[in-house]
Amino acid sequence: GAVVSQHPSWVICKSGTSVKIECRSLDFQATTMFWYRQFPKQSLMLMATSNEGSKATYEQGVEKDKFLINHASLTLSTLTVTSAHPEDSSFYICSARDGSRGISTDTQYFGPGTRLTVL
Amino acid sequence: AQSVAQPEDQVNVAEGNPLTVKCTYSVSGNPYLFWYVQYPNRGLQFLLKYITGDNLVKGSYGFEAEFNKSQTSFHLKKPSALVSDSALYFCAVSGNYGGATNKLIFGTGTLLAVQP
Repeated sequence: GAVVSQHPSWVICKSGTSVKIECRSLDFQATTMFWYRQFPKQSLMLMATSNEGSKATYEQGVEKDKFLINHASLTLSTLTVTSAHPEDSSFYICSARDGSRGISTDTQYFGPGTRLTVL
Repeated sequence: AQSVAQPEDQVNVAEGNPLTVKCTYSVSGNPYLFWYVQYPNRGLQFLLKYITGDNLVKGSYGFEAEFNKSQTSFHLKKPSALVSDSALYFCAVSGNYGGATNKLIFGTGTLLAVQP
């Protein structure tokens, strides 16, 4: 149980284009999803917290107009990198928390990540 | 502010020997503590967590971790290392403030290298 998928697993795009990354919880309902960014040999940096049916909460320094997050259902959240530039190249990882069992579980389950390369 | 420290960038151990990956934390209130493992170009896999109760927590793949409140530590251990355990290990903490979106604060990660 507790499987999270991401699509695509890797993407290469031209500078100035937009890229959408999907995050799905396959066998549970995710009331909350998180989006992280990871640079090579570094830890995960939380970008935003996404609650189903409401606006995402962005961390300080993360541009909400550049990284658009939509959490339209309990099993799907999307991250759209708008007008991508080479400095946006990174490994993007989502996670989902199972809200059905109450706050005490508080375990985040992670997707396999999406490697974005902007040329 | 909450924080997690993993003092070792890399831990080297011979296969069959016990391994320890260190983690210390700083939080106000009672912590939720987690260990995750990441293989190259993959997302994080959940290993184990401490919420409350027994200080020794057993997790996946034979790993365990001991919560030590006085030392504010949550070291990851395994009695006998395997080459396949070689990966990047992250310790993380979240607060139990009762909010709906408790965030995970990650350590910087420790690369475990198990030599055959």
